[in-house]
Amino acid sequence: QVQLVQSGTEVKKPGASVKVSCKASGYTFTAYYIHWVRQAPGQGLERMGWINPNSGGTNYGQKFQGRVTMTRDTSISTAYMELTSLTSGDTAIYYCARASPISGMTLAYEIWGQGTMVTVSS
Amino acid sequence: EIVLTQSPGTLSLSPGEGATLSCRASQSVSNNYLAWYQQKPGQAPRLLIYGASSRATGIPDRFSGSGSGTDFTLTISRLEPEDFAVYYCQHYGDSRTFGQGTKVEIK
Repeated sequence: QVQLVQSGTEVKKPGASVKVSCKASGYTFTAYYIHWVRQAPGQGLERMGWINPNSGGTNYGQKFQGRVTMTRDTSISTAYMELTSLTSGDTAIYYCARASPISGMTLAYEIWGQGTMVTVSS
Repeated sequence: EIVLTQSPGTLSLSPGEGATLSCRASQSVSNNYLAWYQQKPGQAPRLLIYGASSRATGIPDRFSGSGSGTDFTLTISRLEPEDFAVYYCQHYGDSRTFGQGTKVEIK
Protein backbone atom coordinates (compact mmCIF):
# COMPACT_ATOMS: atom_id res chain seq x y z
CA GLN A 1 0.00 0.00 0.00
CA VAL A 2 0.99 3.62 -0.42
CA GLN A 3 2.89 4.82 2.62
CA LEU A 4 5.52 7.19 3.92
CA VAL A 5 7.75 5.97 6.74
CA GLN A 6 9.83 8.48 8.65
CA SER A 7 12.97 8.16 10.73
CA GLY A 8 12.88 7.97 14.50
CA THR A 9 12.89 10.37 17.41
CA GLU A 10 15.74 12.87 17.65
CA VAL A 11 17.10 14.81 20.62
CA LYS A 12 19.41 17.69 19.75
CA LYS A 13 21.22 20.47 21.56
CA PRO A 14 20.59 24.12 20.70
CA GLY A 15 22.64 25.17 17.70
CA ALA A 16 22.78 21.67 16.26
CA SER A 17 21.19 20.38 13.07
CA VAL A 18 18.73 17.57 12.46
CA LYS A 19 18.01 15.55 9.33
CA VAL A 20 14.73 13.67 9.07
CA SER A 21 14.06 11.07 6.40
CA CYS A 22 10.81 10.05 4.72
CA LYS A 23 10.80 6.79 2.73
CA ALA A 24 8.06 6.31 0.17
CA SER A 25 6.63 2.99 -0.96
CA GLY A 26 3.69 1.72 -2.98
CA TYR A 27 3.86 4.40 -5.67
CA THR A 28 6.32 6.08 -8.03
CA PHE A 29 8.36 8.35 -5.75
CA THR A 30 9.31 10.80 -8.49
CA ALA A 31 5.70 11.34 -9.56
CA TYR A 32 4.45 13.33 -6.54
CA TYR A 33 5.63 16.36 -4.58
CA ILE A 34 6.64 15.75 -0.97
CA HIS A 35 5.76 18.49 1.54
CA TRP A 36 7.01 18.93 5.08
CA VAL A 37 4.76 20.13 7.92
CA ARG A 38 5.60 20.57 11.57
CA GLN A 39 3.55 20.73 14.76
CA ALA A 40 4.87 22.15 18.00
CA PRO A 41 3.56 20.55 21.20
CA GLY A 42 -0.11 21.40 21.67
CA GLN A 43 -0.08 23.65 18.62
CA GLY A 44 -1.40 23.61 15.07
CA LEU A 45 0.08 22.57 11.74
CA GLU A 46 2.75 24.69 10.03
CA ARG A 47 3.89 24.15 6.45
CA MET A 48 7.64 24.24 5.94
CA GLY A 49 8.04 23.70 2.21
CA TRP A 50 8.23 21.09 -0.52
CA ILE A 51 10.50 19.19 -2.83
CA ASN A 52 9.92 17.94 -6.34
CA PRO A 53 11.47 14.44 -6.13
CA ASN A 54 11.82 14.30 -9.91
CA SER A 55 13.86 17.46 -10.43
CA GLY A 56 15.05 18.15 -6.89
CA GLY A 57 13.50 21.60 -7.06
CA THR A 58 12.41 23.06 -3.75
CA ASN A 59 10.25 25.79 -2.27
CA TYR A 60 10.68 26.83 1.35
CA GLY A 61 8.41 28.84 3.62
CA GLN A 62 9.78 32.29 4.33
CA LYS A 63 10.10 31.50 8.03
CA PHE A 64 12.51 28.65 7.31
CA GLN A 65 14.55 30.05 4.45
CA GLY A 66 18.24 29.93 5.21
CA ARG A 67 17.81 27.17 7.80
CA VAL A 68 16.05 24.36 5.95
CA THR A 69 17.27 22.15 3.13
CA MET A 70 15.10 19.52 1.46
CA THR A 71 16.76 16.85 -0.62
CA ARG A 72 15.97 13.43 -2.01
CA ASP A 73 17.61 10.17 -3.05
CA THR A 74 15.59 8.68 -5.85
CA SER A 75 17.53 5.39 -5.71
CA ILE A 76 15.94 4.61 -2.36
CA SER A 77 12.71 6.64 -2.75
CA THR A 78 13.55 8.80 0.22
CA ALA A 79 13.12 12.50 0.92
CA TYR A 80 15.06 14.39 3.56
CA MET A 81 14.50 17.56 5.56
CA GLU A 82 17.46 19.13 7.32
CA LEU A 83 17.00 22.01 9.76
CA THR A 84 20.01 23.87 11.14
CA SER A 85 20.71 26.25 14.02
CA LEU A 86 18.09 24.56 16.17
CA THR A 87 16.45 26.35 19.10
CA SER A 88 13.89 25.24 21.64
CA GLY A 89 11.29 26.76 19.35
CA ASP A 90 12.02 24.01 16.82
CA THR A 91 10.83 21.31 19.22
CA ALA A 92 8.01 19.71 17.27
CA ILE A 93 6.74 16.70 15.41
CA TYR A 94 7.87 16.87 11.78
CA TYR A 95 5.65 15.24 9.16
CA CYS A 96 6.18 14.53 5.50
CA ALA A 97 3.12 14.33 3.28
CA ARG A 98 2.48 13.35 -0.31
CA ALA A 99 0.90 16.18 -2.24
CA SER A 100 0.09 16.80 -5.89
CA PRO A 101 1.46 14.83 -8.82
CA ILE A 102 4.29 16.58 -10.64
CA SER A 103 2.08 17.02 -13.66
CA GLY A 104 -1.58 16.85 -12.89
CA MET A 105 -4.30 18.14 -10.69
CA THR A 106 -3.67 19.86 -7.36
CA LEU A 107 -4.25 17.50 -4.46
CA ALA A 108 -4.56 17.82 -0.70
CA TYR A 109 -2.38 15.72 1.60
CA GLU A 110 -3.80 12.24 1.16
CA ILE A 111 -0.81 10.38 2.57
CA TRP A 112 1.16 11.36 5.67
CA GLY A 113 4.21 9.95 7.35
CA GLN A 114 3.85 8.88 10.97
CA GLY A 115 5.79 11.91 12.19
CA THR A 116 9.23 12.37 13.74
CA MET A 117 9.56 13.97 17.16
CA VAL A 118 12.47 16.38 17.37
CA THR A 119 13.33 17.71 20.82
CA VAL A 120 15.80 20.56 21.21
CA SER A 121 17.11 20.84 24.73
CA SER A 122 20.34 21.65 26.48
CA GLU B 1 -1.00 34.33 1.57
CA ILE B 2 -4.51 33.26 2.53
CA VAL B 3 -5.21 33.26 6.28
CA LEU B 4 -7.77 30.71 7.50
CA THR B 5 -9.70 31.37 10.71
CA GLN B 6 -11.57 28.46 12.30
CA SER B 7 -14.41 28.73 14.77
CA PRO B 8 -15.23 27.86 17.41
CA GLY B 9 -11.94 27.02 19.07
CA THR B 10 -13.58 24.24 21.08
CA LEU B 11 -16.91 22.49 20.63
CA SER B 12 -18.29 20.51 23.58
CA LEU B 13 -20.86 17.98 22.45
CA SER B 14 -22.29 14.59 23.34
CA PRO B 15 -22.15 11.45 21.18
CA GLY B 16 -25.07 11.39 18.77
CA GLU B 17 -25.23 15.16 18.46
CA GLY B 18 -24.36 17.04 15.29
CA ALA B 19 -21.32 19.29 14.91
CA THR B 20 -20.81 22.32 12.68
CA LEU B 21 -17.29 23.67 12.23
CA SER B 22 -16.48 26.86 10.37
CA CYS B 23 -13.45 27.95 8.34
CA ARG B 24 -13.26 31.49 6.99
CA ALA B 25 -10.62 32.60 4.50
CA SER B 26 -9.09 36.07 4.27
CA GLN B 27 -9.61 36.02 0.51
CA SER B 28 -11.44 33.85 -1.95
CA VAL B 29 -10.17 30.28 -2.21
CA SER B 30 -9.52 29.50 -5.85
CA ASN B 31 -10.92 26.31 -7.36
CA ASN B 32 -12.39 25.41 -3.96
CA TYR B 33 -8.97 24.08 -2.93
CA LEU B 34 -10.18 23.66 0.66
CA ALA B 35 -9.52 20.51 2.67
CA TRP B 36 -10.47 19.30 6.14
CA TYR B 37 -8.30 17.01 8.27
CA GLN B 38 -8.97 15.13 11.49
CA GLN B 39 -6.19 14.63 14.02
CA LYS B 40 -6.32 12.42 17.08
CA PRO B 41 -3.71 12.50 19.86
CA GLY B 42 -0.46 10.85 18.86
CA GLN B 43 -1.53 10.44 15.23
CA ALA B 44 -0.83 12.18 11.97
CA PRO B 45 -3.67 14.18 10.44
CA ARG B 46 -6.09 12.28 8.22
CA LEU B 47 -7.69 13.79 5.14
CA LEU B 48 -11.49 13.92 5.43
CA ILE B 49 -12.68 16.35 2.76
CA TYR B 50 -11.06 17.88 -0.33
CA GLY B 51 -12.39 20.27 -2.94
CA ALA B 52 -14.53 21.74 -0.14
CA SER B 53 -17.14 18.97 -0.39
CA SER B 54 -15.67 15.68 -1.65
CA ARG B 55 -15.09 12.93 0.90
CA ALA B 56 -11.71 11.23 0.83
CA THR B 57 -11.49 7.47 0.42
CA GLY B 58 -12.99 5.55 3.31
CA ILE B 59 -14.51 8.55 5.09
CA PRO B 60 -18.00 7.86 6.51
CA ASP B 61 -20.89 9.79 5.04
CA ARG B 62 -21.69 11.42 8.38
CA PHE B 63 -18.87 13.82 7.44
CA SER B 64 -19.78 16.46 4.88
CA GLY B 65 -18.19 19.65 3.64
CA SER B 66 -19.75 22.69 2.07
CA GLY B 67 -19.04 26.26 1.11
CA SER B 68 -17.24 28.31 -1.48
CA GLY B 69 -15.40 31.59 -1.82
CA THR B 70 -14.37 32.54 1.72
CA ASP B 71 -16.77 30.57 3.94
CA PHE B 72 -16.57 26.82 4.45
CA THR B 73 -18.21 24.37 6.82
CA LEU B 74 -17.50 20.85 8.01
CA THR B 75 -20.58 19.07 9.35
CA ILE B 76 -20.58 15.86 11.34
CA SER B 77 -24.17 14.64 11.35
CA ARG B 78 -24.06 12.36 14.41
CA LEU B 79 -20.95 12.24 16.52
CA GLU B 80 -19.48 8.81 17.13
CA PRO B 81 -17.03 8.29 20.02
CA GLU B 82 -14.12 8.12 17.57
CA ASP B 83 -14.97 11.55 16.10
CA PHE B 84 -13.78 13.49 19.15
CA ALA B 85 -10.58 15.03 17.85
CA VAL B 86 -9.08 18.22 16.47
CA TYR B 87 -10.12 19.33 12.99
CA TYR B 88 -8.08 21.55 10.68
CA CYS B 89 -9.00 23.24 7.45
CA GLN B 90 -6.36 23.89 4.80
CA HIS B 91 -6.13 25.88 1.62
CA TYR B 92 -4.11 23.61 -0.66
CA GLY B 93 -3.41 26.07 -3.40
CA ASP B 94 -0.04 27.78 -3.62
CA SER B 95 0.31 28.72 0.05
CA ARG B 96 -1.01 25.48 1.63
CA THR B 97 -1.91 27.33 4.83
CA PHE B 98 -3.80 25.70 7.72
CA GLY B 99 -6.40 27.06 10.07
CA GLN B 100 -5.61 26.99 13.79
CA GLY B 101 -7.92 24.05 14.46
CA THR B 102 -11.20 23.28 16.23
CA LYS B 103 -11.23 20.77 19.07
CA VAL B 104 -14.37 18.67 19.33
CA GLU B 105 -14.54 17.36 22.89
CA ILE B 106 -16.93 15.19 24.82
CA LYS B 107 -19.39 17.17 26.91
